[in-house]
Amino acid sequence: QKEVEQNSGPLSVPEGAIASLNCTYSDRGSQSFFWYRQYSGKSPELIMSIYSNGDKEDGRFTAQLNKASQYVSLLIRDSQPSDSATYLCAVKTGANSKLTFGKGITLSVRP
Amino acid sequence: EAQVTQNPRYLITVTGKKLTVTCSQNMNHEYMSWYRQDPGLGLRQIYYSMNVEVTDKGDVPEGYKVSRKEKRNFPLILESPSPNQTSLYFCASSLGVYETQYFGPGTRLLVL
Repeated sequence: QKEVEQNSGPLSVPEGAIASLNCTYSDRGSQSFFWYRQYSGKSPELIMSIYSNGDKEDGRFTAQLNKASQYVSLLIRDSQPSDSATYLCAVKTGANSKLTFGKGITLSVRP
Repeated sequence: EAQVTQNPRYLITVTGKKLTVTCSQNMNHEYMSWYRQDPGLGLRQIYYSMNVEVTDKGDVPEGYKVSRKEKRNFPLILESPSPNQTSLYFCASSLGVYETQYFGPGTRLLVL
């Protein structure tokens, strides 16, 4: 069973701080990695995708991928109350491109 | 506007009464998928389709059926719903197998 694990939450940070969200995956053949944000009662929306080792930055968000250690992380700089949501890590593996989600971590940014 | 639509958005039904949740995308995506989301269990894939007339089981296919007769539509069918199928359902689509998936707004189903 291919698994995607996210560190237990919830996570609470003060406004302006850096929020660090981590995710590990079990299948070494995984090829595509995604972070989705989901507000309560809403559908997941893509924040970042990353396919190769290293960092990928988009505004206040940075995704980091380390395939050797099988982890992917998301850093949110200058956290805002509007960043308060559940963040889902998702990993694609195999020819059928099955997308496996972690259970998510809930982030709360305190004003 | 590029989007994935689902209908109905909310549904209350009784055990055993067949129902269909529709999903449609206007982005000419080949890949479509159904998920259910339950507290503590996260998003789990029910079925997926890589193209017209090509469907396959995901992690939790029991009690569900799908069809893909047209590229844009991917309905989810519950032939005989049971209370354990009470959940929040999402349809998603992507251009190709490795592309980003875009999610519909969700369908909240309650089976009594």
